Amino acid sequence: ILNVEQSPQSLHVQEGDSTNFTCSFPSSNFYALHWYRWETAKSPEALFVMTLNGDEKKKGRISATLNTKEGYSYLYIKGSQPEDSATYLCASPGNYGGSQGNLIFGKGTKLSVKP
Amino acid sequence: NAGVTQTPKFQVLKTGQSMTLQCAQDMNHEYMSWYRQDPGMGLRLIHYSVGAGITDQGEVPNGYNVSRSTTEDFPLRLLSAAPSQTSVYFCASSYSMSQPQHFGDGTRLSIL
Repeated sequence: ILNVEQSPQSLHVQEGDSTNFTCSFPSSNFYALHWYRWETAKSPEALFVMTLNGDEKKKGRISATLNTKEGYSYLYIKGSQPEDSATYLCASPGNYGGSQGNLIFGKGTKLSVKP
Repeated sequence: NAGVTQTPKFQVLKTGQSMTLQCAQDMNHEYMSWYRQDPGMGLRLIHYSVGAGITDQGEVPNGYNVSRSTTEDFPLRLLSAAPSQTSVYFCASSYSMSQPQHFGDGTRLSIL
């Protein structure tokens, strides 16, 4: 069963700081790596889906990189703002039931940005 | 498009009662999943489906049943509710595993 790990568990930064967090996943049989943003009392929203080694994706101040050979992805936030406060989840297709039709999520990194 | 619609949004049950959480999507997605969210545990997969007529178990399937008779609907049944099933439940769907999942708004379930 796939194990997706995220670090750190939580992060407190000041407004304007740049920050990054890590997602690690088994590198064998890689298929895709997902990043989601999850605000309190809402549902997760997709940020990026990456499939190729070396992929870099960007959306505004948020970007992500992917290394499938060593099994990790970084999420970067440049110039954090209070509205960036959320839990950031990564996920990769698992193999429950012998099928890859399911996503296995890490436990997330909770980011708090202080004004 | 309504996206992924979950009903009800809130529910309180007594131990031993049964109920069905509804999930419907209008995006013609083949892949649908149910997750539960518990403090410190993240999102844990309960059951999933890769198409109509096909379902399989995830990480925490005990006490839950699913069926997928149409592409649009993927209901989750609690057979005999237990306090340990108090949680927030999310339904999600996607076109494929290399496409983003779309989540419903969640159902907050309390079992007394």
